[in-house]
Amino acid sequence: GQQVMQIPQYQHVQEGEDFTTYCNSSTTLSNIQWYKQRPGGHPVFLIQLVKSGEVKKQKRLTFQFGEAKKNSSLHITATQTTDVGTYFCAGGVDSGYALNFGKGTSLLVTP
Amino acid sequence: GAVVSQHPSWVICKSGTSVKIECRSLDFQATTMFWYRQFPKQSLMLMATSNEGSKATYEQGVEKDKFLINHASLTLSTLTVTSAHPEDSSFYICSAPDWGNQETQYFGPGTRLLVL
Repeated sequence: GQQVMQIPQYQHVQEGEDFTTYCNSSTTLSNIQWYKQRPGGHPVFLIQLVKSGEVKKQKRLTFQFGEAKKNSSLHITATQTTDVGTYFCAGGVDSGYALNFGKGTSLLVTP
Repeated sequence: GAVVSQHPSWVICKSGTSVKIECRSLDFQATTMFWYRQFPKQSLMLMATSNEGSKATYEQGVEKDKFLINHASLTLSTLTVTSAHPEDSSFYICSAPDWGNQETQYFGPGTRLLVL
């Protein structure tokens, strides 16, 4: 079945450093979504990418969807302590269908 | 934005008892809802797809007789963990796709289940 691999599993950075997490799917995706989960909280939707090669930005966050629609990345520029949490990618086969989540990347930012 | 609620937010029960978890879409209708389970420090794993008016679809390895799902209306799905055991202790999260919006999934706040 479809699998979504996400690396790295953990990342510890100093405040102000950049951070990137990567996702790869074994199959072509119709869309990929990114979520952030704070410790003890539930996943919060960040963004959805649908088009091949799509790039979207949200302030310091940059999301990319690969040309083959099998990989994606989330890049955070100049991390802040508020960025702490686990970032999950989730690949969709089609709109409205269940998502296959990557294992997540736990980000720790120290001042 | 769209809101999905879950009740209860946490529950502690004795081994052998049954626990019902409700998932509601508050301001939109959801013909489909999804139930996920998340063990500590792990990712979300899809358990089943809840379909309004028909039987739920379970993922491989998930016992349908143990995790009963009922999609009673367009805004409510329930997950009942029957004869709960300590290994069922987990974080259960539901989600619902908002077909009328950007076809994004909205997640409930989750239910923490601890079986003693």
